[in-house]
Amino acid sequence: QKEVEQDPGPLSVPEGAIVSLNCTYSNSAFQYFMWYRQYSRKGPELLMYTYSSGNKEDGRFTAQVDKSSKYISLFIRDSQPSDSATYLCAMSPYGNNRLAFGKGNQVVVIP
Amino acid sequence: GAGVSQSPSNKVTEKGKDVELRCDPISGHTALYWYRQRLGQGLEFLIYFQGNSAPDKSGLPSDRFSAERTGESVSTLTIQRTQQEDSAVYLCASSFGQGAPNYGYTFGSGTRLTVV
Repeated sequence: QKEVEQDPGPLSVPEGAIVSLNCTYSNSAFQYFMWYRQYSRKGPELLMYTYSSGNKEDGRFTAQVDKSSKYISLFIRDSQPSDSATYLCAMSPYGNNRLAFGKGNQVVVIP
Repeated sequence: GAGVSQSPSNKVTEKGKDVELRCDPISGHTALYWYRQRLGQGLEFLIYFQGNSAPDKSGLPSDRFSAERTGESVSTLTIQRTQQEDSAVYLCASSFGQGAPNYGYTFGSGTRLTVV
C-alpha cells in the first residue's frame, strides 16, 4: 500500500461548479498536509497547507483534514477555467522535510 | 533569483550516456530537494540537501544517480549510464530552513529528460 492514495482519474466540471478532491494516507505520523496545483509543463505551486486536523479556507479554496480517518479534502467553489490544472496532495511528519505526494488529479473546468 | 531555475528545460539523450541536471534555488533558501515525476505518477522523492550536506538521500533509485550542492546554492543531479526508465521530469525545489515544511516548497519548472 502506498503511503498516499489519490485517485488520479481526470475530473471535468462546468464553470461555477464545486470541485471536490481527496486523498487518503496510511502513515499516522503525518502532521502537515498540503495541496499543490500544477499547470501543464510547470512545477507544482503550493496552494494550501494545514497542520493537523481541521479546516482552512482561503478565498474559493477550502482544505479539510480528518486525521482519525486519515483523509484529506480540497474543495474549490465557483470553479473557473483558470482552475484547470493537476492538483496534488502532499504530506509530511513534523520536522521531516520529505514530502509524500499523491498521484494528482487533473481537473478541467469547462466554460 | 526570483524563483527556482532549472536547466536544461528539455534533454534528450541516448541510452547509456551520462546527463547532468542543474538547479539554482531561491537565494537564501538553505534547503533544496530533488523529485522525479514519471508520466501518470506522483512526485517521487530523490534527495534533500540542508546547506551543502545531504541528510536524506534515501530516494536515489540506484548508484547511477548522484547529486551535489556547492556554496549552499547550485545543485547538480547526475545520472550515469542512463536507461529508458530514467525518462521523467526532474523537479527541484527549495525552501527556508529545516524542520516543519509548512513554509512550503518553491518548485522549478523541471527538466524533462527523455532517454532514447
